[in-house]
Amino acid sequence: AQSVTQPDIHITVSEGASLELRCNYSYGATPYLFWYVQSPGQGLQLLLKYFSGDTLVQGIKGFEAEFKRSQSSFNLRKPSVHWSDAAEYFCAVGSPNQAGTALIFGKGTTLSVSS
Amino acid sequence: KAGVTQTPRYLIKTRGQQVTLSCSPISGHRSVSWYQQTPGQGLQFLFEYFSETQRNKGNFPGRFSGRQFSNSRSEMNVSTLELGDSALYLCASTIVGGASTDTQYFGPGTRLTVL
Repeated sequence: AQSVTQPDIHITVSEGASLELRCNYSYGATPYLFWYVQSPGQGLQLLLKYFSGDTLVQGIKGFEAEFKRSQSSFNLRKPSVHWSDAAEYFCAVGSPNQAGTALIFGKGTTLSVSS
Repeated sequence: KAGVTQTPRYLIKTRGQQVTLSCSPISGHRSVSWYQQTPGQGLQFLFEYFSETQRNKGNFPGRFSGRQFSNSRSEMNVSTLELGDSALYLCASTIVGGASTDTQYFGPGTRLTVL
């Protein structure tokens, strides 16, 4: 069955420090991959997506993610975290072979930023 | 361009009642997807509508239903509410909906509380 695992439920990072959020997926082929961010009481905002091509993907707000096929991973990174980055982050996969837009989400990682 | 609009933002119902939630997609977007978000189960796909037809459906009981109108606005209905239906219901719109490559833009959600 298709699934997405975000191993870290909660991460605390100092402001200005680097960040890496982990995402592993289980899928029969290479899926489409997404990272979304959710602030309290808000909907989801797309940070970046991977469909094909260059395995290092740049997104908004200074985020990037790297697709590693051999590890079935799509980790999110940011070189310097800002206090405003505190939020919940979701990794998701979508099927490249299925019409429609059903995404499978991980359980999310809550990021706290300390000063 | 206005984003995805969901109404109402907050709703309180009692067990056994039914509820209707509304979603207005971004202008020009033809596909609307619905997701349920709960602390225990995370984000789960409910269904997707494209050109007034349900094209994809998640693993939810028949008490959950939806429809889409000719202007792409969508409603979802939950009948015979249960306590476990308390959740944030998110709507996402997609410009074409022809494949999972299309980016999903999420609304702020409707917070449903069942007492």
